[in-house]
Amino acid sequence: QSVLTQPPSASGTPGQRVTISCSGSSSNIGSNYVYWYQQLPGTAPKLLIYRNNQRPSGVPDRFSGSKSGTSASLAISGLRSEDEADYYCAAWDDSLSGPRVVFGGGTKLTVL
Amino acid sequence: QVQLVESGGGVVQPGGSLRLSCAASGFTFSSYGMHWVRQAPGKGLEWVAFIRYDGSNKYYADSVKGRFTISRDNSKNTLYLQMNSLRAEDTAVYYCAKDSASDYGDYFDYWGQGTLVTVSS
Repeated sequence: QSVLTQPPSASGTPGQRVTISCSGSSSNIGSNYVYWYQQLPGTAPKLLIYRNNQRPSGVPDRFSGSKSGTSASLAISGLRSEDEADYYCAAWDDSLSGPRVVFGGGTKLTVL
Repeated sequence: QVQLVESGGGVVQPGGSLRLSCAASGFTFSSYGMHWVRQAPGKGLEWVAFIRYDGSNKYYADSVKGRFTISRDNSKNTLYLQMNSLRAEDTAVYYCAKDSASDYGDYFDYWGQGTLVTVSS
């Protein structure tokens, strides 16, 4: 059971806009940045969004992130076939046993 | 360019030990925090451990605390993960990842390709 909650799957057709949600608590999303990682099939994860809504260089502006309270979301507009991947949200968590990084369970995005 | 190359994975019996290494290049290794993250077959990502740029602070997931030790050798640009008392549930691909910050921990801006650890009798 993951600390951050994501829907296990999402889908859309080319050109559509899809959003993926990520729900946490006051000890993680509520008090720290949210990050998003994309994992294409058979490859290592790659940074997609950092500090809630910042895109690293090379990431298309079709990808955007937002955060409100203890929830966050990733939006992908102008969906393309190459966006088919697993998406993970993450955040630092201020647990009683010490700082830790927590992930969502991942959302498998299918482009129909 | 930044490169992270993991090694040391393999098959080990339950209760056994293994040491993973991550050779870093393309950046000033001694200036950045580093992480280990794992992914069980067909499952999601699980953070394992973090070490500060100078090795002075280390954080662990509860699932590995007391069994795994993260360390680094800045003179060799290498990150390590010593894994003891291994269990079947430790079976996973282990990734090393570079942190964007040096001490407090931020996001993983680069990842290695991973090394597979299989715990089985």
